[in-house]
Amino acid sequence: EAQVTQNPRYLITVTGKKLTVTCSQNMNHEYMSWYRQDPGLGLRQIYYSMNVEVTDKGDVPEGYKVSRKEKRNFPLILESPSPNQTSLYFCASSPRGQGLYEQYFGPGTRLTVT
Amino acid sequence: GIQVEQSPPDLILQEGANSTLRCNFSDSVNNLQWFHQNPWGQLINLFYIPSGTKQNGRLSATTVATERYSLLYISSSQTTDSGVYFCAAPNYGGSQGNLIFGKGTKLSVKP
Repeated sequence: EAQVTQNPRYLITVTGKKLTVTCSQNMNHEYMSWYRQDPGLGLRQIYYSMNVEVTDKGDVPEGYKVSRKEKRNFPLILESPSPNQTSLYFCASSPRGQGLYEQYFGPGTRLTVT
Repeated sequence: GIQVEQSPPDLILQEGANSTLRCNFSDSVNNLQWFHQNPWGQLINLFYIPSGTKQNGRLSATTVATERYSLLYISSSQTTDSGVYFCAAPNYGGSQGNLIFGKGTKLSVKP
């Protein structure tokens, strides 16, 4: 089944404790990205990747890192999480970038930072 | 950048009723998607519909690109249709390729 998977689905952590949210797709897509969803602010893009080893900042990149060492994986790293990073996070992928193709979203990761 | 507006913001239906959700966008698009966010937060792809009409069961969608709007039709609604419906269009102007989402229509279907 073609899909985007994320882990963990739920996470409660404390301020400053490094964490990684994994994202994997099995569709051989070149383009992957991360969004966060917050009440009143909607979905905003954090980082995106056009292909392996090519990543760039989205609209709200502060406090996050990403890497793209393999085509299928695009982990989101929070080196020192803070309470304002409490949010619902989505990973997405599409065959290529530039908004020209359908994007597929993972199931979401609900993160709480205390 | 592109602006995406959805109406109505809230909709309450009795099970079995039909509804139409609207999405207006400010610029020409080559990509328009509809999503359903269920009560558990998952974003489900409903339609990829840059133009024309598509149907999937009780749901159908129509995009009139020249007039910059899209419609999502839900027929014979069920309680499982409850949730928030989003339309989204890409923010062109570079490689970023991010989708710009409307604020959503919150649908509640009562038994």
